[in-house]
Amino acid sequence: GAGVSQSPSNKVTEKGKDVELRCDPISGHTALYWYRQRLGQGLEFLIYFQGNSAPDKSGLPSDRFSAERTGESVSTLTIQRTQQEDSAVYLCASSLGLSGGGYDTQYFGPGTRLTVL
Amino acid sequence: GQNIDQPTEMTATEGAIVQINCTYQTSGFNGLFWYQQHAGEAPTFLSYNVLDGLEEKGRFSSFLSRSKGYSYLLLKELQMKDSASYLCAVKAGNNRKLIWGLGTSLAVNP
Repeated sequence: GAGVSQSPSNKVTEKGKDVELRCDPISGHTALYWYRQRLGQGLEFLIYFQGNSAPDKSGLPSDRFSAERTGESVSTLTIQRTQQEDSAVYLCASSLGLSGGGYDTQYFGPGTRLTVL
Repeated sequence: GQNIDQPTEMTATEGAIVQINCTYQTSGFNGLFWYQQHAGEAPTFLSYNVLDGLEEKGRFSSFLSRSKGYSYLLLKELQMKDSASYLCAVKAGNNRKLIWGLGTSLAVNP
């Protein structure tokens, strides 16, 4: 079956511009996560959506970052007024969520590599 | 606070066995995951432990001791393709959010 997809795969932008990253989760997965991974670093949690509940935004690094998700479908991560330190790979993952019990494995998309010049 | 520790780097020889350790200190525990991440690729799921003991899956096994806050990933009959970063992640509570370690970069040499 289809896995998690993300677009674009690569994005090069100029400092100060806004960017929008897209994630299509696995069909039926109610939970969706966004992570940031800088070169050679670990995964940095950004935001978590579970169904129609209010998202957990505790990982968003600044108010320049925002994310939306309509129901249990596509999500977009928006970074406004990009800075050079925003350069990283942005990974999206989805899981069955509350219906997945304890064994709620996250499945990752291929990521979007963002470069801010 | 929440903390997960893994060695930063390890080196092993093709055909050998390697053990990658992970210790955690979290408020609550609801399972531990191991993921593999090849350079430039997304993490892929390897194993999940929620009860004490060893879970074996082919060449890979994962062990958990909840009382010690400790897990390890055991890789047998190492192959060159096993060169990757191995990430330990803990689900600390009912929230589906995981707490991630920084990963252990494993280099398998011929």
